[in-house]
Amino acid sequence: KAGVTQTPRYLIKTRGQQVTLSCSPISGHRSVSWYQQTPGQGLQFLFEYFSETQRNKGNFPGRFSGRQFSNSRSEMNVSTLELGDSALYLCASSPWAGVTYNEQFFGPGTRLTVL
Amino acid sequence: QQQVKQSPQSLIVQKGGISIINCAYENTAFDYFPWYQQFPGKGPALLIAIRPDVSEKKEGRFTISFNKSAKQFSLHIMDSQPGDSATYFCAASLSRFGNEKLTFGTGTRLTIIP
Repeated sequence: KAGVTQTPRYLIKTRGQQVTLSCSPISGHRSVSWYQQTPGQGLQFLFEYFSETQRNKGNFPGRFSGRQFSNSRSEMNVSTLELGDSALYLCASSPWAGVTYNEQFFGPGTRLTVL
Repeated sequence: QQQVKQSPQSLIVQKGGISIINCAYENTAFDYFPWYQQFPGKGPALLIAIRPDVSEKKEGRFTISFNKSAKQFSLHIMDSQPGDSATYFCAASLSRFGNEKLTFGTGTRLTIIP
């Protein structure tokens, strides 16, 4: 079974621009979660989608948004980029909703650099 | 507010030794405690997880010890091998709809030397 795939793997943007990241979950997985990973803050939860609905949201500003399509693929959008948005963005999928008692399968991430 | 504190930040252990990573949490409502392993260039992968009604869980060379009263849990890696060199993250979550998320520790970079 193919793992979680994320595109693109690397991205360079400038301040003020917007960016869209894509995640394809493992086949049959219906839940997709997004995380931001930085050296200073570590791994921080952004949001979780299940059956095209946002179930949970972390403590990030409204500039961070996401959506999930009927085939479970998910996109994450960041508008008006700031330097502090430079990070590795990780997507994780699982067969069921929620993260408790539910293994998260992570993709390799998208490395976003904001100049 | 960091709800899961992890230590040490980095750890060097000799091959065959025991690696110990500790985590402490604040929210007593947490009811799931996984450990993730991350290699460079890869996303984290679940290593082992425990529920708060169990004090210890062992899978191969990896053991989680859980102390509910102290709000602490730790990962022990027995007979540590160079292939165990990676960054380890503890995490915690609570199964409350609308507020269910994994809260991660800041990570421990483990290096196993021959």
